[in-house]
Amino acid sequence: DVKVTQSSRYLVKRTGEKVFLECVQDMDHENMFWYRQDPGLGLRLIYFSYDVKMKEKGDIPEGYSVSREKKERFSLILESASTNQTSMYLCASSLSNTDTQYFGPGTRLTVL
Amino acid sequence: GESVGLHLPTLSVQEGDNSIINCAYSNSASDYFIWYKQESGKGPQFIIDIRSNMDKRQGQRVTVLLNKTVKHLSLQIAATQPGDSAVYFCAEILSGYSTLTFGKGTMLLVSP
Repeated sequence: DVKVTQSSRYLVKRTGEKVFLECVQDMDHENMFWYRQDPGLGLRLIYFSYDVKMKEKGDIPEGYSVSREKKERFSLILESASTNQTSMYLCASSLSNTDTQYFGPGTRLTVL
Repeated sequence: GESVGLHLPTLSVQEGDNSIINCAYSNSASDYFIWYKQESGKGPQFIIDIRSNMDKRQGQRVTVLLNKTVKHLSLQIAATQPGDSAVYFCAEILSGYSTLTFGKGTMLLVSP
């Protein structure tokens, strides 16, 4: 079974803090994705990566950056957290471009 | 638990009934479709997928139907159980792309 894990289920940070969200997959998948999910807005793609050290902007990259130093790990970074970044963050991975994306359990981030 | 979306279309059924959840897509170039189930506070879970060269695919208690003429996708759940209560999303991948486009979701409520 594919397993995608995220470092925290719940996280509370203060405005201006730097925040790291970690995601690890154990299936040697090429592609990894970061989404945020908000009521009424559905899932929105922040960034994705199709290879180590490669990254592509999604629909809403502003205020975020990512890092993929190893194939199995994809990190989402909030350089200076703001209250409008309070959300559920979901990581996903897929074997290739035309394959199913498998999701992690999500991290509920609250920025005070 | 947390709501994954406000103002979602809701389908309420009785335990044992069959459920049909519908999804319309807009891009005729989409060639791969996925249904996800998301329970409150959890990440989306893969249910079933279908490629555009197929009209129907069956899994355990679930069937996906694809009508490319009217760009419509449906998920049928047989003998619905209380554990099926969740938000169901369809997602599509455009040919040549790696990113998913998600529908807003439908909330399925199953009464015992």
